[in-house]
Amino acid sequence: GENVEQHPSTLSVQEGDSAVIKCTYSDSASNYFPWYKQELGKGPQLIIDIRSNVGEKKDQRIAVTLNKTAKHFSLHITETQPEDSAVYFCAATKAAGNKLTFGGGTRVLVKP
Amino acid sequence: GAVVSQHPSRVICKSGTSVKIECRSLDFQATTMFWYRQFPKQSLMLMATSNEGSKATYEQGVEKDKFLINHASLTLSTLTVTSAHPEDSSFYICSARGQGREPQHFGDGTRLSIL
Repeated sequence: GENVEQHPSTLSVQEGDSAVIKCTYSDSASNYFPWYKQELGKGPQLIIDIRSNVGEKKDQRIAVTLNKTAKHFSLHITETQPEDSAVYFCAATKAAGNKLTFGGGTRVLVKP
Repeated sequence: GAVVSQHPSRVICKSGTSVKIECRSLDFQATTMFWYRQFPKQSLMLMATSNEGSKATYEQGVEKDKFLINHASLTLSTLTVTSAHPEDSSFYICSARGQGREPQHFGDGTRLSIL
């Protein structure tokens, strides 16, 4: 089955700096890669996703890149703000509606 | 759009009690719903997948007689933790998706504490 590794497990950045989280996956058949943000005591919120026919996707301060050959994808947050502090999870699956395999999560702390 | 509501948000009950958690899709029809369990500072662990009108598919190691799942309509799925014990204490989260290539959208979770 699919296995997703996520790094780093914790990330502390200064407000205004960029944050990068990286994930690798094992199943070359995976073709849908969402990123979720989870705030304390809440459920995960979808913040961006990418499908395998695209190498990069951007939404304001958030971007995701995908390298299918190397089987890794990354989340980039620019101009970080304190409200970006949360746990971020990457995931992979063979189709958007199928069950997701999650990475272990990255706890991001943005220091004012 | 794509709002998933989960109820209750917090449950505290005595050992041996059965607890029911509801998951509703408020503005879309959820053909598939997923139930997850999350321990503190850990990732989400999929427990089961349920399709409307069908029996749920449980992940390996999840007791289907312990965690009863019902997906009776396109907007409602329920998880019942039967005869709960302290080791069942956890954060339970549901997600739902519509038809086609729609992504999963998550509820805000239910924190279950068994005394």
